[in-house]
Amino acid sequence: GNSVTQMEGPVTLSEEAFLTINCTYTATGYPSLFWYVQYPGEGLQLLLKATKADDKGSNKGFEATYRKETTSFHLEKGSVQVSDSAVYFCALRGGSGGTSYGKLTFGQGTILTVHP
Amino acid sequence: DGGITQSPKYLFRKEGQNVTLSCEQNLNHDAMYWYRQDPGQGLRLIYYSQIVNDFQKGDIAEGYSVSREKKESFPLTVTSAQKNPTAFYLCASSIGQSRSYEQYFGPGTRLTVT
Repeated sequence: GNSVTQMEGPVTLSEEAFLTINCTYTATGYPSLFWYVQYPGEGLQLLLKATKADDKGSNKGFEATYRKETTSFHLEKGSVQVSDSAVYFCALRGGSGGTSYGKLTFGQGTILTVHP
Repeated sequence: DGGITQSPKYLFRKEGQNVTLSCEQNLNHDAMYWYRQDPGQGLRLIYYSQIVNDFQKGDIAEGYSVSREKKESFPLTVTSAQKNPTAFYLCASSIGQSRSYEQYFGPGTRLTVT
């Protein structure tokens, strides 16, 4: 079945530092890939997505590139802010049909804390 | 504003009682989903519905039940058969089941059972 693995957290950075959160996946067919962000006590918000190989999703300074050859979708930001402190989830949505079709499969989440 | 509403935000129940969590969307989405989130874990799918009057079990459906009588509404009942019901419950919706469609999430309901 489909699976997503994120780097272990928590991640603690100083403001303006460079951020990378690693995400790798296992899936059949051609999944779409997503990054969601969750602020304390809230639901998930879509941060960015990519639907095919070599696509780059970007939003609010965050970027991730769909790498089929390495089955990865790493999240990056050049300069983090205190307001970026949250939990980040990598997810995939399968496209091969069968019981996996349309379901979101999540990684375990990475807690990011940014200090001033 | 279009979106997904879940109520209440916090819910407390005694063990042995059934409890129903509300989820309403005004996005005109066909597909709706229920997820459970436990501390330090990703989200796990409980049930999903692709269309009115149809729903399927997700990965952890035991002890839960749902209905989909209206397009806008997808309530989740946590029954007394659920062994460990205390968790954060998230409802989501999507235009359809295609892999390219993102899911939109509600604010969640935190259920505590004692």
